Amino acid sequence: DQQVKQNSPSLSVQEGRISILNCDYTNSMFDYFLWYKKYPAEGPTFLISISSIKDKNEDGRFTVFLNKSAKHLSLHIVPSQPGDSAVYFCAASNPVKIIFGKGTRLHILP
Amino acid sequence: GAVVSQHPSWVICKSGTSVKIECRSLDFQATTMFWYRQFPKQSLMLMATSNEGSKATYEQGVEKDKFLINHASLTLSTLTVTSAHPEDSSFYICSARDETDTQYFGPGTRLTVL
Repeated sequence: DQQVKQNSPSLSVQEGRISILNCDYTNSMFDYFLWYKKYPAEGPTFLISISSIKDKNEDGRFTVFLNKSAKHLSLHIVPSQPGDSAVYFCAASNPVKIIFGKGTRLHILP
Repeated sequence: GAVVSQHPSWVICKSGTSVKIECRSLDFQATTMFWYRQFPKQSLMLMATSNEGSKATYEQGVEKDKFLINHASLTLSTLTVTSAHPEDSSFYICSARDETDTQYFGPGTRLTVL
């Protein structure tokens, strides 16, 4: 039973446009949500996070939106750049556990 | 930003031998560290949660006698794969959580068991 779901295994976006990656979770006990970026053969690197008390967090080109009632979060990247091509993992956590989604592979097209 | 290192970055060993992987938080103290395993085309699988000074908490299905975890200090946790077999070949990743509850991941260790 997947507690964190990323329903799009891959996504292609034109360079310069907005990339929107989506994530759904099932457990309302999660109170902290994170996005990680992963290149092949490397460990994931932390990208941006959001606490459950907020509905938006912005850091440069990256913005995370949280809709608690829908148990949904999304990562917006604008403008998308070639270096953004990677696998993006959504994660939901509480103080003792973190659960990852399966990831979405983002392709930025020239 | 916070940095977490892992050593070694890759290791090749013979079947039946034991391998130790170190995870260090370089510029912050981590009371909690996590060990993950990544299978191809799958998300990271949490293996265990390591708390400094106490026994690790293992996830269901993870053999604690095979994957020994020690968290001896606030900056170091080790994972020892005992009597490794080819099916243990994988990418092992640790993470450390700082006082703001942000998790920082190590670069991973690729284990190949021949």
